[in-house]
Amino acid sequence: GDSVTQMEGPVTLSEEAFLTINCTYTATGYPSLFWYVQYPGEGLQLLLKATKADDKGSNKGFEATYRKETTSFHLEKGSVQVSDSAVYFCALSDEWGTGTASKLTFGTGTRLQVTL
Amino acid sequence: NAGVTQTPKFQVLKTGQSMTLQCAQDMNHEYMSWYRQDPGMGLRLIHYSVGAGITDQGEVPNGYNVSRSTTEDFPLRLLSAAPSQTSVYFCASRTPLYGYTFGSGTRLTVV
Repeated sequence: GDSVTQMEGPVTLSEEAFLTINCTYTATGYPSLFWYVQYPGEGLQLLLKATKADDKGSNKGFEATYRKETTSFHLEKGSVQVSDSAVYFCALSDEWGTGTASKLTFGTGTRLQVTL
Repeated sequence: NAGVTQTPKFQVLKTGQSMTLQCAQDMNHEYMSWYRQDPGMGLRLIHYSVGAGITDQGEVPNGYNVSRSTTEDFPLRLLSAAPSQTSVYFCASRTPLYGYTFGSGTRLTVV
């Protein structure tokens, strides 16, 4: 079945450091890929997504590129802020619009702590 | 729009008690789902529904029941709570165009 593997946390960075959180996936067909962010005490919010190979999703300075050849969707940000401290989840979904029920398969989450 | 609303936010149950976690959305989304979040395991799908009157099992359905009598509501029932059901529960709805919207979660403790 589908699966998502992301790097273990926690990741601790100083403010303005470069962030990479690795994510790889296993899926049949052509999944859509997502990064969700969960701030303390809150639900999940969509951070960015990519629906086909070589697409780059971006939002709030975060970027991730859908790499089909390496089955990866690594999250990057050039300069993190304290306010980026949260748990980040990589996820995939089967192809939109197939008429079948779509579901998200999540990685285990990576906690990011940014310090001054 | 309120989005996806979950109640209660916190709940403590004794083993064997029953309860219903409520989920409501006001976006007219056909697809709704329930996930549980456990440390080190990410979110796992419990049940989902593609429309009123239609439900199906996800990855971890045992111990949970659902029904979908209206488009807006998708309650999750625990018939006989067990300590293994201690978790944070998230309800989500979806459209193909805009993706998933998650509720803020219900933190359940079974003692």
